Amino acid sequence: GESVGLHLPTLSVQEGDNSIINCAYSNSASDYFIWYKQESGKGPQFIIDIRSNMDKRQGQRVTVLLNKTVKHLSLQIAATQPGDSAVYFCADSGGGADGLTFGKGTHLIIQP
Amino acid sequence: DAGVIQSPRHEVTEMGQEVTLRCKPISGHNSLFWYRQTMMRGLELLIYFNNNVPIDDSGMPEDRFSAKMPNASFSTLKIQPSEPRDSAVYFCASSFTGENTEAFFGQGTRLTVV
Repeated sequence: GESVGLHLPTLSVQEGDNSIINCAYSNSASDYFIWYKQESGKGPQFIIDIRSNMDKRQGQRVTVLLNKTVKHLSLQIAATQPGDSAVYFCADSGGGADGLTFGKGTHLIIQP
Repeated sequence: DAGVIQSPRHEVTEMGQEVTLRCKPISGHNSLFWYRQTMMRGLELLIYFNNNVPIDDSGMPEDRFSAKMPNASFSTLKIQPSEPRDSAVYFCASSFTGENTEAFFGQGTRLTVV
């Protein structure tokens, strides 16, 4: 079946630098995308979402970009901090009451 | 609101035993999801309910797994009999079906079957 996947399992960045985490999706019917952050021992936490009628959405230090042409999603984190260390998941949904389909996750490591 | 509440946080059981995981969704949410997380397979959707009715259980691995939602504030995921390969972290999540379908996750139950 179709699924959401991530390009890289681990991303290491210097503290203060910007981070970019990428995601590819294959379900052309997906109309809602979410980025989650999961810290060790905790459940995934919502970071930011975007609908298919948008190509960019900004939050506090985070920006999500959606390229529907190539079915690509990215999460940009500005001025990365130690607290940003976590596994980041992209997920998609067909909308309504459908469950979210998650990618494998990218482990973001912040180097001092 | 306290968020999605799962119990127990940790469960260690012997192979062959019955295991019951519990979830209390956020009040007012009408969709509930059970996920399983492993290193090899990541986060997998097992089953989800909408208005207490199971909508899609195609992710349930086999007949040993069953889930119920007797009311809007409680759901269980049961494994009987349990096997070592069921060891994983099981998450429950809830959402309000509407324009936004953001799901809120519980802290998870770490299950170890020995």
